[in-house]
Amino acid sequence: EAQVTQNPRYLITVTGKKLTVTCSQNMNHEYMSWYRQDPGLGLRQIYYSMNVEVTDKGDVPEGYKVSRKEKRNFPLILESPSPNQTSLYFCASTTSAGNTIYFGEGSWLTVV
Amino acid sequence: GENVEQHPSTLSVQEGDSAVIKCTYSDSASNYFPWYKQELGKRPQLIIDIRSNVGEKKDQRIAVTLNKTAKHFSLHITETQPEDSAVYFCAVENSGGYQKVTFGTGTKLQVIP
Repeated sequence: EAQVTQNPRYLITVTGKKLTVTCSQNMNHEYMSWYRQDPGLGLRQIYYSMNVEVTDKGDVPEGYKVSRKEKRNFPLILESPSPNQTSLYFCASTTSAGNTIYFGEGSWLTVV
Repeated sequence: GENVEQHPSTLSVQEGDSAVIKCTYSDSASNYFPWYKQELGKRPQLIIDIRSNVGEKKDQRIAVTLNKTAKHFSLHITETQPEDSAVYFCAVENSGGYQKVTFGTGTKLQVIP
């Protein structure tokens, strides 16, 4: 079954404690992205990657890091989380630009 | 960068009526315009898309129209049903070799039985 899998699905953490949200896709897609979803703001792109070792900033990259060492994996790293990073996060992948984006199930992150 | 505006933010219609959601964008180089539906507690899923060389596309009760000159595109849902109730997002992408995607802020559609 084609899917994008992200973990954890739910997390409550404290300010400053580094965390990583993992993302893996089994569709051999070139492109992967991270989005955050906040009420009234829609989906905002954090980072995207067009291939292994190729990443670029989206609209809201501050406070986040990513890496793409393997084609299937695209982890999101919060080095020092802050309360304003409390959000619903979606990982996504697609074959190439201008095609259907497949989203993971989402990760609810709360930073206290 | 790209600026996408989506209206209305909420929309209530009676079952069987039509619903229209509109988006405007700023970058004339944008060339791919998908619409995503997000049901409560679920992930967004593509329902229809249109490319800049096409003015209209239809899939059963759903259609999308694009006006490149005015830089706006719309989602039309006819004969609405309760299962159409969801949040709908437009998106704009410049597929010129990279994947910079900008989403609208979403429209919460409620279909009243």
